[in-house]
Amino acid sequence: SAVISQKPSRDICQRGTSLTIQCQVDSQVTMMFWYRQQPGQSLTLIATANQGSEATYESGFVIDKFPISRPNLTFSTLTVSNMSPEDSSIYLCSVDYGANTEAFFGQGTRLTVV
Amino acid sequence: GENVEQHPSTLSVQEGDSAVIKCTYSDSASNYFPWYKQELGKGPQLIIDIRSNVGEKKDQRIAVTLNKTAKHFSLHITETQPEDSAVYFCAASSYNQGGKLIFGQGTELSVKP
Repeated sequence: SAVISQKPSRDICQRGTSLTIQCQVDSQVTMMFWYRQQPGQSLTLIATANQGSEATYESGFVIDKFPISRPNLTFSTLTVSNMSPEDSSIYLCSVDYGANTEAFFGQGTRLTVV
Repeated sequence: GENVEQHPSTLSVQEGDSAVIKCTYSDSASNYFPWYKQELGKGPQLIIDIRSNVGEKKDQRIAVTLNKTAKHFSLHITETQPEDSAVYFCAASSYNQGGKLIFGQGTELSVKP
């Protein structure tokens, strides 16, 4: 299993600012992902965080808006840039040990943009 | 790409009754189907999963069935308890998509004592 620490757990931010969310895992993992969960909605994959290289973004998400770092096998950050109220969501870090294996999730970061 | 549809969006049952949640998927290459439970303020947690080479899997009060031909899979919870109240998500993934999970819309299950 994997224990994921995600920080901050929640934040209220002014529009136009940026927030960086951290994801720390207690073991080396193969894959790290970032999801967005809008209020009352399902989980939408933002990107796959690749260790030592640029993240792979899903359709509708771009690096300028959601820059991602993954300097090693246990840590990743997601930045939400130039925020607007539409960015108010829960952002979740997820990890797994290979394709089609159990995915573990952090507790999420609840972001409110005012 | 893969699309996962989940029904119903809300489900209310009496304690002790059974609950069934159904999902359909579109990509015939999908071969891994997990179910997640999300409690308020927490991240999703895996409760059971099934792979395409198996038709049914059971873990105590929870079971999942898979019909590859019809491209649908279902979650069955028997003898429901109030602590089963949560949002449940189905998902699908395939090796040729790097194992990326595509989630259904979620079902809010309420178990009334």
